[in-house]
Amino acid sequence: AQSVAQPEDQVNVAEGNPLTVKCTYSVSGNPYLFWYVQYPNRGLQFLLKYITGDNLVKGSYGFEAEFNKSQTSFHLKKPSALVSDSALYFCAVREDDMRFGAGTRLTVKP
Amino acid sequence: DTGVSQDPRHKITKRGQNVTFRCDPISEHNRLYWYRQTLGQGPEFLTYFQNEAQLEKSRLLSDRFSAERPKGSFSTLEIQRTEQGDSAMYLCASSSRGGYSTDTQYFGPGTRLTVL
Repeated sequence: AQSVAQPEDQVNVAEGNPLTVKCTYSVSGNPYLFWYVQYPNRGLQFLLKYITGDNLVKGSYGFEAEFNKSQTSFHLKKPSALVSDSALYFCAVREDDMRFGAGTRLTVKP
Repeated sequence: DTGVSQDPRHKITKRGQNVTFRCDPISEHNRLYWYRQTLGQGPEFLTYFQNEAQLEKSRLLSDRFSAERPKGSFSTLEIQRTEQGDSAMYLCASSSRGGYSTDTQYFGPGTRLTVL
């Protein structure tokens, strides 16, 4: 069965600096990978996904993610963080059903 | 708003009572999913419908839980004889395009259940 891990519970960055939120996965077949963001008292919002093709995937709000098959990773990145990016970020992998990581809380300080 | 909607947004109940939640998916979406999310965790898959057919159900799902999607549109999730461990956020999602494993799920705002 598929699984996903987010090794950092919390990531803190200064506004304007680049950010990375890490994700590693395990699947027996082709990896279908997703990133979602959750703001307080709201549902999950889709950011981007990797299905096949280019390893660098661009998504909403200036976010991108890099698929690395050899390292089984799918890290979320943004070149310049905004205070409004502060939220809870979830990585997910789909094989049978969708499996989510435990989430990483991103705090961007002004 | 044409997104996924859920009702109620909050529900407080006493242990042993039955509760029912409703999810209205995005109108053209034929796939509908239920998840449960507890504090500090990611969403956990509960069940999945394609149109009115319930095609998948998590083995972790107690038999006190039942879900329906009678006309392939809205769905209900019922929890019978609630327990304090059922306290969680219940999320609904829908999708339609592409293959089952590759389509994007769009989530509703969730129903927060508190069992006293």
